[in-house]
Amino acid sequence: DADVTQTPRNRITKTGKRIMLECSQTKGHDRMYWYRQDPGLGLRLIYYSFDVKDINKGEISDGYSVSRQAQAKFSLSLESAIPNQTALYFCATSAGTTNQPQHFGDGTRLSIL
Amino acid sequence: LAKTTQPISMDSYEGQEVNITCSHNNIATNDYITWYQQFPSQGPRFIIQGYKTKVTNEVASLFIPADRKSSTLSLPRVSLSDTAVYYCLVGPINYSSASKIIFGSGTRLSIRP
Repeated sequence: DADVTQTPRNRITKTGKRIMLECSQTKGHDRMYWYRQDPGLGLRLIYYSFDVKDINKGEISDGYSVSRQAQAKFSLSLESAIPNQTALYFCATSAGTTNQPQHFGDGTRLSIL
Repeated sequence: LAKTTQPISMDSYEGQEVNITCSHNNIATNDYITWYQQFPSQGPRFIIQGYKTKVTNEVASLFIPADRKSSTLSLPRVSLSDTAVYYCLVGPINYSSASKIIFGSGTRLSIRP
């Protein structure tokens, strides 16, 4: 979904490095999410935000932090990357307070050596 | 939280109708059922959502029996491009906590010529 843009698309880095993944959206949605997907598995929720002043932990938040800089921007940081954080990371957005469908970016493939 | 169970994989042929069933025995009164499709190296894409009986759009149909303990995604006349992973999600209408969003491992659908 081109309305949800993730940068970078691919990143290779070393253990211990700080990494930031960025997500921006033009859909005007209030809600934004970060997920992680490991090979052959479903998506697991890392953090989510319902508006600029709201940040919530998901299922697997340890080792990650987020920042909601504006309605349109939600970044994910790995303070000190470790190899088992190698995965595909997705950002998503959704509208409103009801169970609105989520709109996903095309992901960031992160490899930590 | 309503846990979902889907077949790990399914095979079919071009032109056939494919039905993927999802079990959600613990679905709550205010839960909706949502299906997503994911192609390799892309984020999931919303297909269809429903609460009860039948919902149809240009892509698929969703059948939900009266007890709502299961649902069936129906893809009419599939083509090779329908090869993907399909996720069934169950979540409350007004989820104040996105941690209630659970993507399972999905169903890997393979379409053959």
